Amino acid sequence: ELKVEQNPLFLSMQEGKNYTIYCNYSTTSDRLYWYRQDPGKSLESLFVLLSNGAVKQEGRLMASLDTKARLSTLHITAAVHDLSATYFCAVDDSGGGADGLTFGKGTHLIIQP
Amino acid sequence: DAGVTQSPTHLIKTRGQHVTLRCSPISGHKSVSWYQQVLGQGPQFIFQYYEKEERGRGNFPDRFSARQFPNYSSELNVNALLLGDSALYLCASSLVAGGSYEQYFGPGTRLTVT
Repeated sequence: ELKVEQNPLFLSMQEGKNYTIYCNYSTTSDRLYWYRQDPGKSLESLFVLLSNGAVKQEGRLMASLDTKARLSTLHITAAVHDLSATYFCAVDDSGGGADGLTFGKGTHLIIQP
Repeated sequence: DAGVTQSPTHLIKTRGQHVTLRCSPISGHKSVSWYQQVLGQGPQFIFQYYEKEERGRGNFPDRFSARQFPNYSSELNVNALLLGDSALYLCASSLVAGGSYEQYFGPGTRLTVT
């Protein structure tokens, strides 16, 4: 059974600081996704990582994938309050089939002024 | 272009009742997946449909069923509702099933079972 673990599960940080969210998974998949969810809302796609060594950046967020270590990171640079949300990583282990995405439990991020 | 749409937005049902949730994918997308998100947890995969056929099923009881229509919209049905079925039900669409195609999520239907 595929397991996806995120840490930390809760993070409170100050504006202007840097931090990293980690996502470990138990399979050899090379397809990993990061989503953002605001309270009471649906999931917003942030990054799609489809190969070992993939790195993508959007604004203050940067995601990377190391398939050999089975690890993805989401790095936040100079955090701002608007980035407060819950962040999920999800792994696609369907091997071209259709088993859906397996999500981590999410990292609840609060950025304080 | 319109994104994934779901109806209804909110729903309150009583234990033992039946519920039907609806989803319309992004235009041109042929695959629809359903997820259940219990408060404080990540979404859990329920079903994936592609070209009107079930392509994948998560670890959910037979009380859960779904279907996809010729226009690629989909319904999720849950029979004999339990309190534990209270959750946000998310529909996601993608161009095709499997592979590396990104899934786009709808706004969700919040189901409360009393």
